[in-house]
Amino acid sequence: DAGVTQSPTHLIKTRGQQVTLRCSPKSGHDTVSWYQQALGQGPQFIFQYYEEEERQRGNFPDRFSGHQFPNYSSELNVNALLLGDSALYLCASSLDNFYEQYFGPGTRLTVT
Amino acid sequence: KNQVEQSPQSLIILEGKNCTLQCNYTVSPFSNLRWYKQDTGRGPVSLTIMTFSENTKSNGRYTATLDADTKQSSLHITASQLSDSASYICVVTVNAGNNRKLIWGLGTSLGVNP
Repeated sequence: DAGVTQSPTHLIKTRGQQVTLRCSPKSGHDTVSWYQQALGQGPQFIFQYYEEEERQRGNFPDRFSGHQFPNYSSELNVNALLLGDSALYLCASSLDNFYEQYFGPGTRLTVT
Repeated sequence: KNQVEQSPQSLIILEGKNCTLQCNYTVSPFSNLRWYKQDTGRGPVSLTIMTFSENTKSNGRYTATLDADTKQSSLHITASQLSDSASYICVVTVNAGNNRKLIWGLGTSLGVNP
C-alpha cells in the first residue's frame, strides 16, 4: 500500500519563473491538502482539493493554484516565483475533511 | 482567537531519559487533537490522534494525554532514543460548519544526545 508520494524531491527555480509540484495520495484517499513550510516554521495551509474542486483555501495569493485529477492526484502551481516562496511544500491526503491526514515527504523548492 | 501553544520551544535530553512536551489550546469548537513527529526536511508523521472523549492514547514509547476541561495535552516519551530527535507538533482540528480547519502549534524541537 503506497503512501503519499510527491515529486520532485527538490528543485531550484529562478525568481519570476513558474513551478508545478505533484502529489499522489495514499491509496483510498480522496482529499488532498497542500502546505508550505518555511525553514524553522510550522506548516501553513495553502488549499485543499476534494472531488476535483478547491474546497478550502488558506491565506495565499492567487499565484498559488492547484488542480485535482479524477484519480485524486493533485498539482500545486506557483507563478511569478518570489524568493520568499522558498520552502518545503507538503502534500497531505485523507479520506475525510482533514481527519487522519497522511503527509508526503515534501518537495524542497529553492528560489534564487 | 483559535490558538495552539507548545512548550518548551526546544529541549535537549540524554538518551534513555524520559520527557514530556506540553500543548495548550484555545480552540472552539474542538474536534480532535493530534501529535506529529517531523524530522528535519521531511513530512510530519502522525503519532496519536484523540477526540474529545479520549484522555490517553499510546503509540509505542509515545503516550499522549488530553484534558478537554483545561484544554491541555501532553506527549510523554519514555526511554528516549537518538532517533527521537525531531520536531513534535501539536495540531488541533476546529469544526467550522461543513469544513474543518487545522490549528498548528509551532512545535517543540527535541534533541536526544548520547
